[in-house]
Amino acid sequence: NAGVTQTPKFQVLKTGQSMTLQCAQDMNHEYMSWYRQDPGMGLRLIHYSVGAGITDQGEVPNGYNVSRSTTEDFPLRLLSAAPSQTSVYFCASSYIEGNQRYGYTFGSGTRLTVV
Amino acid sequence: AQSVSQHNHHVILSEAASLELGCNYSYGGTVNLFWYVQYPGQHLQLLLKYFSGDPLVKGIKGFEAEFIKSKFSFNLRKPSVQWSDTAEYFCAVKEYDKIIFGKGTRLHILP
Repeated sequence: NAGVTQTPKFQVLKTGQSMTLQCAQDMNHEYMSWYRQDPGMGLRLIHYSVGAGITDQGEVPNGYNVSRSTTEDFPLRLLSAAPSQTSVYFCASSYIEGNQRYGYTFGSGTRLTVV
Repeated sequence: AQSVSQHNHHVILSEAASLELGCNYSYGGTVNLFWYVQYPGQHLQLLLKYFSGDPLVKGIKGFEAEFIKSKFSFNLRKPSVQWSDTAEYFCAVKEYDKIIFGKGTRLHILP
C-alpha cells in the first residue's frame, strides 16, 4: 500500500514549456486534489475531483488543467509554465463515509522551478 | 466562502514549554476541522480532526485541540513541547467538497 505517489519530486522548466505532474493513489479514494504551497501563503487549492470523470476548480486554477479518467490517477498539467508557478505542489486524496470526508493523505510533493 | 485565520505566523518556544496555536474559521454551521503538521522537507500529516461530539479532540504525538463553536475557534495545544515538534502547523476547515487551509504557523523549539 503505497498511499499517494507523486512524480517527479523535482523539476526545472523553462518559461513556456508544458509538463504534467503525476499523482496516483492505491487506496480507492474517491476524492483527489492538487494544492500548491508557497511561503507565507499556506496551501491553496488548484483543482479537485470527487470521482472519476468529475473535476472542479479550486482557488487558483489558472494555468493548470486536470483530468480524472480513473479513480487512481489525477495528473496536473501546466500548459505554458510561468515563473509565478514556481512552487511546491502536493496531491492529496481522501474517502467519503456518509457525508463526511476524512482527513487527506498527502503525497510527498513536487518541487517545481520555472526559470 | 470559508476562510481560516492562524494568528501566529512564527512561534519560538523552549523545550518543555506549553503550546497553544490559534485558529479561527469564518462562519458557523456544521464544520469539520483539522490540524496538519509539516516537518522540514516532508509532506503534510494529519495531527487530529473534529467532525462532531466531544469538542476536545486528542491527536497524535500528545497534541489536542478544542473546538469552541461560539468563538469559531479550533486551537491546538500541547502541554510540553519537544525539540522534535519543530515544524509548520496548518489549521484547515472543510467546506462542501473542499478543504481550506490557513497560512500556517512555523514553530521553532529551542533545545
